[in-house]
Amino acid sequence: DAKTTQPNSMESNEEEPVHLPCNHSTISGTDYIHWYRQLPSQGPEYVIHGLTSNVNNRMASLAIAEDRKSSTLILHRATLRDAAVYYCILRMYSGGGADGLTFGKGTHLIIQP
Amino acid sequence: NAGVTQTPKFRVLKTGQSMTLLCAQDMNHEYMYWYRQDPGMGLRLIHYSVGEGTTAKGEVPDGYNVSRLKKQNFLLGLESAAPSQTSVYFCASRPGDRSTPLHFGNGTRLTVT
Repeated sequence: DAKTTQPNSMESNEEEPVHLPCNHSTISGTDYIHWYRQLPSQGPEYVIHGLTSNVNNRMASLAIAEDRKSSTLILHRATLRDAAVYYCILRMYSGGGADGLTFGKGTHLIIQP
Repeated sequence: NAGVTQTPKFRVLKTGQSMTLLCAQDMNHEYMYWYRQDPGMGLRLIHYSVGEGTTAKGEVPDGYNVSRLKKQNFLLGLESAAPSQTSVYFCASRPGDRSTPLHFGNGTRLTVT
């Protein structure tokens, strides 16, 4: 899986939108962009994924740049329960080799009340 | 619906002791994974399985063995524990479609003294 770059940490206020950036300049045409988050003392949790078009679900929105070299996870109205480490991961859907996601260090999101 | 269940939740071992971590999923998933997470780091893949009776090495397999005798269970064994294996261990599973997200358990915290 290709590499991603995320800020180590970000801080936001409760009830405000949060934009979490991810750079993936070496992304290939078959790589999907996945986001997971990990709350304290829990396993990672799937948030959202996309290929080229922007995606929305009940948890978040994913905005993908036209050249696909970067993306942004958007939490529309952050709550204290959104404080977590957010991982941006590229995933190929085809081909052989080792399976499983490649996790970097992610972005530690801090929410201030 | 329990999802992915890991037992035990906590364990302390002395150097040289052995133990087995159990991962059980009730979603009829084909793929199962074992990861380890060290402080301040992302998750690293130890071993994985693409179906009952099959296993494969991940990024950091040394010192660990695995077995998948039943589809719903994936066991991780440490034959002779070392302090370097002190970590939090996460199990995950997913269906056969590679586009589907992984479902994670809540981890086993292992300390080797």
